[in-house]
Amino acid sequence: DTGVSQNPRHKITKRGQNVTFRCDPISEHNRLYWYRQTLGQGPEFLTYFQNEAQLEKSRLLSDRFSAERPKGSFSTLEIQRTEQGDSAMYLCASSPLGPAYEQYFGPGTRLTVT
Amino acid sequence: AQSVTQPDIHITVSEGASLELRCNYSYGATPYLFWYVQSPGQGLQLLLKYFSGDTLVQGIKGFEAEFKRSQSSFNLRKPSVHWSDAAEYFCAVGVTGTASKLTFGTGTRLQVTL
Repeated sequence: DTGVSQNPRHKITKRGQNVTFRCDPISEHNRLYWYRQTLGQGPEFLTYFQNEAQLEKSRLLSDRFSAERPKGSFSTLEIQRTEQGDSAMYLCASSPLGPAYEQYFGPGTRLTVT
Repeated sequence: AQSVTQPDIHITVSEGASLELRCNYSYGATPYLFWYVQSPGQGLQLLLKYFSGDTLVQGIKGFEAEFKRSQSSFNLRKPSVHWSDAAEYFCAVGVTGTASKLTFGTGTRLQVTL
């Protein structure tokens, strides 16, 4: 068990460009979550998958954001036409099935939009 | 909707002193409660969790927390702080009976003086 991994760890992009982040959850974890954390704040929920189904999306997830989890394994989060306000740490977490399991977080991808 | 308040943005303690970080939550039923720790540039590591049962829960690194329903609190404590405990601490609440999003507080930054 190598934990949740995220790539890349850092991404610098220019405003208007598209970016894609990848998350590999702990193997056999059915649930996968994306959060966004800005400076001085706690993580804010973006979206959640159970296997390949996206079951919940936050209002924070504008139409420029899209997330996928093909085949219920890794997940990608894409941001189109990035804006400076998208600069943040994007965190991925996973958990097993069940009503009471903690979420295990990856190291995050830090996005800087210039 | 659930919410979490961490009233202390920044706390400084001397190494060897005791520590208590405050967390108050708002939720209509018994919540799932968590404390996570985040070192600079890193993801979140789970310190401890409360789902049900004994209201005093033990975690890793010598931390404990007590769930007090009457005060809607879940304060984190450690009897003797080590310099390596310096980090950001986040309290989070989850919705019972589901496994969707966690709602985080804004965090408390702990500084440890030698």
